[in-house]
Amino acid sequence: KAGVTQTPRYLIKTRGQQVTLSCSPISGHRSVSWYQQTPGQGLQFLFEYFSETQRNKGNFPGRFSGRQFSNSRSEMNVSTLELGDSALYLCASSATGFEQYFGPGTRLTVT
Amino acid sequence: GESVGLHLPTLSVQEGDNSIINCAYSNSASDYFIWYKQESGKGPQFIIDIRSNMDKRQGQRVTVLLNKTVKHLSLQIAATQPGDSAVYFCAEKGTNAGKSTFGDGTTLTVKP
Repeated sequence: KAGVTQTPRYLIKTRGQQVTLSCSPISGHRSVSWYQQTPGQGLQFLFEYFSETQRNKGNFPGRFSGRQFSNSRSEMNVSTLELGDSALYLCASSATGFEQYFGPGTRLTVT
Repeated sequence: GESVGLHLPTLSVQEGDNSIINCAYSNSASDYFIWYKQESGKGPQFIIDIRSNMDKRQGQRVTVLLNKTVKHLSLQIAATQPGDSAVYFCAEKGTNAGKSTFGDGTTLTVKP
């Protein structure tokens, strides 16, 4: 089975811009969760989608949003980028939400 | 709120020795615990999990121990190899299956 793929792998954006990241889960997995990883805050949960519905949400501002399509692929969007949004964004797929498999991440740099 | 913490940010062991990485959690309602390994430039990789109704679970060269009384879990790696060098995270899930709360990570370095 192919693993979780994330695109793009690297991204450089300017403050104030917006960005969209994409995640393709493992075939058959309906749960996709997004995490932000930074040296200072570690791995922080953003949100989870299951069958196109947001099932869980972390403590991030409304600038962070996501969606899931009928084929389970998911996108997350960050609007009005801030320097502090520079991070590795990871998505994880799961059949049930428990055992999660992570993608390689998208490294976002905001300048 | 819930939090998960690790006792040591770094651990250095000799190749062939056993490694023990510890983790403390605060949420009594946590039902499911996972250990992940993250190598440089990669996403976390699932190692082993354990549910709250178990005390111990073994995998290939790894064992997870759960002590619910003191809210502590540990990951034991037998015969540690250079390829085990990575950052190890513990994570817990409560009733929200899709959400994991991660600890800060322990960097394991294996010396040849």
